[in-house]
Amino acid sequence: QKEVEQNSGPLSVPEGAIASLNCTYSDRGSQSFFWYRQYSGKSPELIMFIYSNGDKEDGRFTAQLNKASQYVSLLIRDSQPSDSATYLCAVPKAAGNKLTFGGGTRVLVKP
Amino acid sequence: SAVISQKPSRDICQRGTSLTIQCQVDSQVTMMFWYRQQPGQSLTLIATANQGSEATYESGFVIDKFPISRPNLTFSTLTVSNMSPEDSSIYLCSVSTGVGQPQHFGDGTRLSIL
Repeated sequence: QKEVEQNSGPLSVPEGAIASLNCTYSDRGSQSFFWYRQYSGKSPELIMFIYSNGDKEDGRFTAQLNKASQYVSLLIRDSQPSDSATYLCAVPKAAGNKLTFGGGTRVLVKP
Repeated sequence: SAVISQKPSRDICQRGTSLTIQCQVDSQVTMMFWYRQQPGQSLTLIATANQGSEATYESGFVIDKFPISRPNLTFSTLTVSNMSPEDSSIYLCSVSTGVGQPQHFGDGTRLSIL
């Protein structure tokens, strides 16, 4: 089992719809979880982080964490073509701050 | 968040040569890391750059191939030594203010080996 797993996609959504991305992790001791957006040819950009079970909202983004089930998800509401990118889930190893990245989910928002 | 300057932004090198990549931060940071992103792949951690001491390397990465320096809390270098075409990747530095805190990335160095 990979430490951090994501569906590679592509996830194709129409403009204005909700994009739902999932990420599962293997280390039960993980305490923090990060979502990064990476446009083609660019470096990853932090868009959300979550530490506690439940939902965290920031603008059109909502992160959801369920530690018992070991998954974290990202919802993008009112998807725009500018949201087309690869979204990376990252989880620090329990003993420190070294990030393990999932393989990324490519999202395509079609006008 | 901190402003991270990474250079060069890209380079084309001959096999067998070495290249040093620099990462400069505009404020002191606790942690600095170096990642590699191979074409079409996700990010893989190479090492943690430790200020004033030897870097901590991940499995599969060794100091002779990827020597790292971190002389102070705002600057680090990664050298890719004796390059081969398999080293063609994007190399990224990241910084964090502490355990559990998010990491922020520089713009990366796109390296091609001929």
